[in-house]
Amino acid sequence: QKEVEQNSGPLSVPEGAIASLNCTYSDRGSQSFFWYRQYSGKSPELIMSIYSNGDKEDGRFTAQLNKASQYVSLLIRDSQPSDSATYLCAVIGPFNYGGSQGNLIFGKGTKLSVKP
Amino acid sequence: GAVVSQHPSRVICKSGTSVKIECRSLDFQATTMFWYRQFPKKSLMLMATSNEGSKATYEQGVEKDKFLINHASLTLSTLTVTSAHPEDSSFYICSASVQETQYFGPGTRLLVL
Repeated sequence: QKEVEQNSGPLSVPEGAIASLNCTYSDRGSQSFFWYRQYSGKSPELIMSIYSNGDKEDGRFTAQLNKASQYVSLLIRDSQPSDSATYLCAVIGPFNYGGSQGNLIFGKGTKLSVKP
Repeated sequence: GAVVSQHPSRVICKSGTSVKIECRSLDFQATTMFWYRQFPKKSLMLMATSNEGSKATYEQGVEKDKFLINHASLTLSTLTVTSAHPEDSSFYICSASVQETQYFGPGTRLLVL
C-alpha cells in the first residue's frame, strides 16, 4: 500500500512566524514530490515541486527533501493570515499505481491557521 | 502559464438528468488529464485518468458507465455524469499534466436535486 502521511493539524502559528509542514511517504523509490495549497471551497494550487535531496526555495516557501528518511517538508517564512489553508503533500512513485503513469498519491493534508 | 479551466463552475440539476463538465488546458498541451471528486471536508479522490485518444482508466469503485470521460484532444477532456442522483452532488475537479506536474482546474460544484 503506497501511502503519504501528513499531520492533519490544525497547525496554528502567529503571523510572521515560520510554519513547518511535514510529510512522510512509504515508497522508497518515489521520485517526484509536490506541495499544493487548497483554500476552503477551492481547488488545489501548486506551490512547489522537488525532485532532489536538499532544499528548494521559492520566495517565502522552502521545500526540503530527504529521500533516505522518506521525508519531505514545506517551510513558510513570515507566515501571513492569507497562508491559512490546507496544504497537501503529493508523491509520484517510480511506477504506475494501478492507473496511468503520473498518478499523484495525496496525503490527507495539514490545515494551517495563521493568527493575526 | 499552465492554466486549466473548467466549465461550468457551478451546476444545479434535477435527479435523473445528465451533466457534462469540460476541462481545458489553456496554454499547454496535456498528455494526461485527471478527474477528481471531493466531498465536503474530505480528501481529493481520484476518479479516473484520461489520455488523449484512448479510453479512460477508472479507479476502483468508480462506475465507468455513470461517469463518462471523453478526451477529445490534447487540451480538452469532458466528464459526463449520467442519470445524476443527489449522492453525486460533489465538487468535481480536473487536472492536466505536463512533465509529471499536475495543474488543477478551478472545479465544478454539482448539486443534484
